[in-house]
Amino acid sequence: GQNIDQPTEMTATEGAIVQINCTYQTSGFNGLFWYQQHAGEAPTFLSYNVLDGLEEKGRFSSFLSRSKGYSYLLLKELQMKDSASYLCAVRDGDYKLSFGAGTTVTVRA
Amino acid sequence: ETGVTQTPRHLVMGMTNKKSLKCEQHLGHNAMYWYKQSAKKPLELMFVYNFKEQTENNSVPSRFSPECPNSSHLFLHLHTLQPEDSALYLCASSQDEGQGNTEAFFGQGTRLTVV
Repeated sequence: GQNIDQPTEMTATEGAIVQINCTYQTSGFNGLFWYQQHAGEAPTFLSYNVLDGLEEKGRFSSFLSRSKGYSYLLLKELQMKDSASYLCAVRDGDYKLSFGAGTTVTVRA
Repeated sequence: ETGVTQTPRHLVMGMTNKKSLKCEQHLGHNAMYWYKQSAKKPLELMFVYNFKEQTENNSVPSRFSPECPNSSHLFLHLHTLQPEDSALYLCASSQDEGQGNTEAFFGQGTRLTVV
């Protein structure tokens, strides 16, 4: 099976920066996704990386290193509404999408 | 509104009951998925339908039975469930299962409690 690891919880202060790491071991690779999930709501798409490097989208950036099986999601200028669970997901060689357990980020005033 | 609608949002059922979860997508997608989300665990892929054909059954017990009558609708029929089946069941859709860059769009889920 696939193995996707990310920290369980992180806490940061409003206005700060937080980096959520994700490491993966999959059979083949067809892209890595980051999703945001607020409590009681559907996961929503944040970013997609398939080539090495950094993808920036406003306050959120995502980085990928395929050789290291590593990605991170960077959240800048944190706001209270960024408190949520962040899910790392990898599409393997068979295009199957597997998820990590999620990282719960708590933003404090 | 996510474009993927699930009903009911909450369901409590006994172990001898039979119930069905419904998912409808209005995005024109060809692939639909059922995931199970338990507390502190990764999303578990249960079933995949691509162009109405089941392409994945991830070793799911037979007490869960999917149905995909058309590319817009997906059902999960439940019978003789166990308390450990209590979880959030999420439906998702994507343009096509076989394209790497197509993200999945999720419904808000059905919170299932088996008593």
